[in-house]
Amino acid sequence: DAKTTQPNSMESNEEEPVHLPCNHSTISGTDYIHWYRQLPSQGPEYVIHGLTSNVNNRMASLAIAEDRKSSTLILHRATLRDAAVYYCILTHQGGKLIFGQGTELSVKP
Amino acid sequence: GAVVSQHPSRVICKSGTSVKIECRSLDFQATTMFWYRQFPKQSLMLMATSNEGSKATYEQGVEKDKFLINHASLTLSTLTVTSAHPEDSSFYICSAGDSSWWVTQYFGPGTRLTVL
Repeated sequence: DAKTTQPNSMESNEEEPVHLPCNHSTISGTDYIHWYRQLPSQGPEYVIHGLTSNVNNRMASLAIAEDRKSSTLILHRATLRDAAVYYCILTHQGGKLIFGQGTELSVKP
Repeated sequence: GAVVSQHPSRVICKSGTSVKIECRSLDFQATTMFWYRQFPKQSLMLMATSNEGSKATYEQGVEKDKFLINHASLTLSTLTVTSAHPEDSSFYICSAGDSSWWVTQYFGPGTRLTVL
């Protein structure tokens, strides 16, 4: 499975946008880019996923580089409840979710 | 989104006893379920993949005789930690997906196991 690289931690101010980067230089043509987040003492929660085009949903936006070797999860207005560990994961059809260390996002009031 | 429950949410047991954890998909049929464990300050580690009606597939290094997995129906998978020891204390999390499980998985809230 292709590997992803994320910063260990990031800080944000409440109500400001947050851009969480993810590098995946060895991504293959059939790999989907998934983002999950995990709040303290809870199971992970699906955030968004995409293949080639940018994606938007009610939680976030996913911006995918043209060469697909990197992507950015965008939280448009961070709230205190967005403080979590965010995981960027690559999967393909039939593939498993292999979690890396993720980015721990802290949000300051 | 779809809902996955786990029971119990927290369990404390004595060393040498067995503990069963249930994972249920409440509003969809889960053809595939996954079990993870997570130690404090660490990421999730995939333990095994279970498909309804067939034997679970374990990740390398996970003892299948110690972590028994049963996926008897499309809404229920169980993980039994046999002869638990303090080093088995961890946060156990299940996830479930339908036929497109590789696209989106739904995670349970986790079970905190403490072995004394």
